[in-house]
Amino acid sequence: DTAVSQTPKYLVTQMGNDKSIKCEQNLGHDTMYWYKQDSKKFLKIMFSYNNKELIINETVPNRFSPKSPDKAHLNLHINSLELGDSAVYFCASSQDYGGGTQYFGPGTRLLVL
Amino acid sequence: QKEVEQDPGPLSVPEGAIVSLNCTYSNSAFQYFMWYRQYSRKGPELLMYTYSSGNKEDGRFTAQVDKSSKYISLFIRDSQPSDSATYLCAMSAQGGSEKLVFGKGMKLTVNP
Repeated sequence: DTAVSQTPKYLVTQMGNDKSIKCEQNLGHDTMYWYKQDSKKFLKIMFSYNNKELIINETVPNRFSPKSPDKAHLNLHINSLELGDSAVYFCASSQDYGGGTQYFGPGTRLLVL
Repeated sequence: QKEVEQDPGPLSVPEGAIVSLNCTYSNSAFQYFMWYRQYSRKGPELLMYTYSSGNKEDGRFTAQVDKSSKYISLFIRDSQPSDSATYLCAMSAQGGSEKLVFGKGMKLTVNP
């Protein structure tokens, strides 16, 4: 009965490759997010979708493209991976009018070699 | 100046100690204040949530918000080894889908 799940948990890949991370939430929430947590544990928002529509797009390279096929899923595709993309990527979700309570997935640890 | 400042520690205390964690912020529009706990290799989980100024208590945890000073605190009473984690403050100007701005996180170790 996992609330927010992500696949894969670990991803090791070569520079220049293209990879995708998937996220699913079964909380019935309207809004989903992607965050990046760097090696210093700093957590920063990348994107937010509300009912499949992009509502937050922080300064993120064009190589990162989120896609929301429905409001329960938010995937992140990364083209031409770079060393600096190595981080932990967290998906989160919230009820649209829930007052800021976001529920996080377990994270995907990406290592680019 | 970063929007949210948090001392990254680390902080090490003996079991039973009272722990005080703090964050300051610069954006006066922030109204929603949260504390998340993140265990090693896990996602952050919401610990405390406060709207505007005031105190909120939940068991051994107390969250305080002082909007006039732009300062928030989390107190942990009778700390336990299971409290060992990274604690992140987070805040937003509006609720719901408004983006959260996080502090850097403070790593806490409670020694038995």
